[in-house]
Amino acid sequence: GENVEQHPSTLSVQEGDSAVIKCTYSDSASNYFPWYKQELGKRPQLIIDIRSNVGEKKDQRIAVTLNKTAKHFSLHITETQPEDSAVYFCAASIEGSQGNLIFGKGTKLSVKP
Amino acid sequence: SQTIHQWPATLVQPVGSPLSLECTVEGTSNPNLYWYRQAAGRGLQLLFYSVGIGQISSEVPQNLSASRPQDRQFILSSKKLLLSDSGFYLCAWSHMRTTNEKLFFGSGTQLSVL
Repeated sequence: GENVEQHPSTLSVQEGDSAVIKCTYSDSASNYFPWYKQELGKRPQLIIDIRSNVGEKKDQRIAVTLNKTAKHFSLHITETQPEDSAVYFCAASIEGSQGNLIFGKGTKLSVKP
Repeated sequence: SQTIHQWPATLVQPVGSPLSLECTVEGTSNPNLYWYRQAAGRGLQLLFYSVGIGQISSEVPQNLSASRPQDRQFILSSKKLLLSDSGFYLCAWSHMRTTNEKLFFGSGTQLSVL
């Protein structure tokens, strides 16, 4: 089955700096890769996703890149702000399958003002 | 608009006692339903998912079970809780025709087994 590894487990940056979180997956059939953000005490929420037919997707300060050959994908946050502090989860699945979304173990991002 | 309700928010139970967590979804039909457990350092672990009434798939062998008695109702149960069942339990749903895409999570239940 699919296995998703996420690094680092914790990340601390200064406000205004960039943050990068990396994930690798094992199943080459996986073609859908979402990222979820969970603020302290709140539910996880989807912030961005990418499908295997594209290599990069951007949404304002957030971008995700995908390297299918190497089976890894990354979340990039530019100009970080204190409100970006949260736990971020990557995940992988086979789009349209009746299987399940496999999550990484999460990265706790702290943005220091 | 669609909403997901999960209760209770917190629960403290003794070892060996039964468990019943309930989740309901409003505003959509035939959703895919999921139960996840979030333990420290282990991320989001899928426990069960369901693509229809009475259809339950289990991802990990454990002390828990799930049932879907109605289209928009998903229940997580245990006959006898173990200490290791402690954790944060999240119910989630996704649109039937877009399996695994955009999960909408409930607010979670913090379960402490003592």
